[in-house]
Amino acid sequence: GAVVSQHPSWVICKSGTSVKIECRSLDFQATTMFWYRQFPKQSLMLMATSNEGSKATYEQGVEKDKFLINHASLTLSTLTVTSAHPEDSSFYICSASKAGVSGEQYFGPGTRLTVT
Amino acid sequence: QQQVKQSPQSLIVQKGGISIINCAYENTAFDYFPWYQQFPGKGPALLIAIRPDVSEKKEGRFTISFNKSAKQFSLHIMDSQPGDSATYFCAANYGGATNKLIFGTGTLLAVQP
Repeated sequence: GAVVSQHPSWVICKSGTSVKIECRSLDFQATTMFWYRQFPKQSLMLMATSNEGSKATYEQGVEKDKFLINHASLTLSTLTVTSAHPEDSSFYICSASKAGVSGEQYFGPGTRLTVT
Repeated sequence: QQQVKQSPQSLIVQKGGISIINCAYENTAFDYFPWYQQFPGKGPALLIAIRPDVSEKKEGRFTISFNKSAKQFSLHIMDSQPGDSATYFCAANYGGATNKLIFGTGTLLAVQP
């Protein structure tokens, strides 16, 4: 168990448009979901933490108006990159944790975003 | 205090050898220490994890050694195989309401046949 999916796996969009990435926990209820960003050959950088039904908590330096996060249910969180620019091109990865299990996070396969 | 320092940055091991990756932390509030394996273009996969009440955990060819007093933990991959070639990240978790993972910088492991 503990499978997390992401859709799409890769997306190309034009500068100035918005793109939505979905993250789903397939076989468990995710009380908390996390969104990370990863540049080539670098570690994962936490962007925000979201709890079902609550506003997301953004890490310092992450623009909340640019990276809109919605956690509408216990199995779905979405990240919308608004007015995307080439510098937003990156690998976006979500993870999810189960209720009552401290620390364990299960990661999705990632979404490669390229902004042209 | 929020950092997790990981070394080495890269590692080359011969097939059948032992791969050892080390991590160190400062914050004693961390209560969960996982290791993740990541292949190019994929998300990280949980490999093995340990909590500070034990000093060692073994799962198959993978072992975590944990030294609470030294605030260090390491991953040992026994009988390393070419299929183990990947990037490995250690991490530490605060637990509680935050439940955030702090990641190390990663180690690129290459196992030569």
